[in-house]
Amino acid sequence: AQKVTQAQTEISVVEKEDVTLDCVYETRDTTYYLFWYKQPPSGELVFLIRRNSFDEQNEISGRYSWNFQKSTSSFNFTITASQVVDSAVYFCALSEAYNNNDMRFGAGTRLTVKP
Amino acid sequence: DVKVTQSSRYLVKRTGEKVFLECVQDMDHENMFWYRQDPGLGLRLIYFSYDVKMKEKGDIPEGYSVSREKKERFSLILESASTNQTSMYLCASSLIGRALTYEQYFGPGTRLTVT
Repeated sequence: AQKVTQAQTEISVVEKEDVTLDCVYETRDTTYYLFWYKQPPSGELVFLIRRNSFDEQNEISGRYSWNFQKSTSSFNFTITASQVVDSAVYFCALSEAYNNNDMRFGAGTRLTVKP
Repeated sequence: DVKVTQSSRYLVKRTGEKVFLECVQDMDHENMFWYRQDPGLGLRLIYFSYDVKMKEKGDIPEGYSVSREKKERFSLILESASTNQTSMYLCASSLIGRALTYEQYFGPGTRLTVT
């Protein structure tokens, strides 16, 4: 069965620090998709990135970067030069391609960025 | 932009009441989902629907039912609300894919309190 673990429940940093949110997953499928979502205080989850299991290239989008390593079953998310607006709960999620209505979410990591 | 709307942001109901949570999406997505979000547990799938009048149980369907009479609308029904159904309810929608998973787009959530 698929499972996502976000071991960090809460992280607090000071503005401009870099921060990495960890995500470890378990799946028996060879084809799967990984996601990150951001949930700001307003409550609505916002899609950040989707990555398929065949694409291990790291991705960078502005201050955000993602490190996908199949060898360690990890899909970590780094925010560079954090800002107060980055404060949110971040969820990592996994979906197996042939059971693609079943998206498994981690418990989430609450990030607080202090000014 | 994809827009998913939910009928209420906050709702207070009494034990035993029948509760309707409505969700509407405007992007012609085939898939629609209902999750509940509880601290430390992430998001758990209650029901999903991949077509009009079609529904599938998720991980925690007990005490809930759903209705999808139109493609854009997916309703969650609590037949007889109980205090353990106090939670944040999130609706989501996505395109349907064959052997691939599209990202889900979420509504703002309904925080339901059952007293």
